[in-house]
Amino acid sequence: AQSVAQPEDQVNVAEGNPLTVKCTYSVSGNPYLFWYVQYPNRGLQFLLKYITGDNLVKGSYGFEAEFNKSQTSFHLKKPSALVSDSALYFCAVTTLLPGDSNYQLIWGAGTKLIIKP
Amino acid sequence: DAGVTQSPTHLIKTRGQQVTLRCSPKSGHDTVSWYQQALGQGPQFIFQYYEEEERQRGNFPDRFSGHQFPNYSSELNVNALLLGDSALYLCASSPLLRGIDGYTFGSGTRLTVV
Repeated sequence: AQSVAQPEDQVNVAEGNPLTVKCTYSVSGNPYLFWYVQYPNRGLQFLLKYITGDNLVKGSYGFEAEFNKSQTSFHLKKPSALVSDSALYFCAVTTLLPGDSNYQLIWGAGTKLIIKP
Repeated sequence: DAGVTQSPTHLIKTRGQQVTLRCSPKSGHDTVSWYQQALGQGPQFIFQYYEEEERQRGNFPDRFSGHQFPNYSSELNVNALLLGDSALYLCASSPLLRGIDGYTFGSGTRLTVV
């Protein structure tokens, strides 16, 4: 079965420091990986995705993520955190198994990121 | 260019009632997916519509039904509401059936069942 794990419920980082939000996945086929951010009482905003190609993916708002196939991980990173980065971050995965024509995104439980001034 | 629009933004219903939530996809998108997000949890896939047909369904009971119209807009209907149906309901649209280019989400409808 496909699954996504975000092992940290909450991550605390001082403003200006680098941040990492962890995500590991389990799929049967090739993974398509996504990061989304959710601000309070808002919908989900797309940050970045990995489909194929370069393992380092750059996305919105200075975020990037590194795909590591051997460790089945897709950690979200940013070199210098801003207070405005404080939000809930979700990792999601989908894949297409042989014979499949449909898909659905499988989501992690989310990680609350708190950036302190 | 308008993104995904959901209505209403908030809704309070009583147990046993029925509710209809609405979604207008982003311009150029033809696939609509619905998700339920309970407080403190990640989104759970309800179903996906393409060409006015339900293409895929998550693990939700038949009380949850939907519809897609020729203009690609969509409705989510929930019958016989339970307290556990209280959640943020998110609509997402995408330009391809497979949507691997990434969804665009609406801001959601917050449903409270009392």
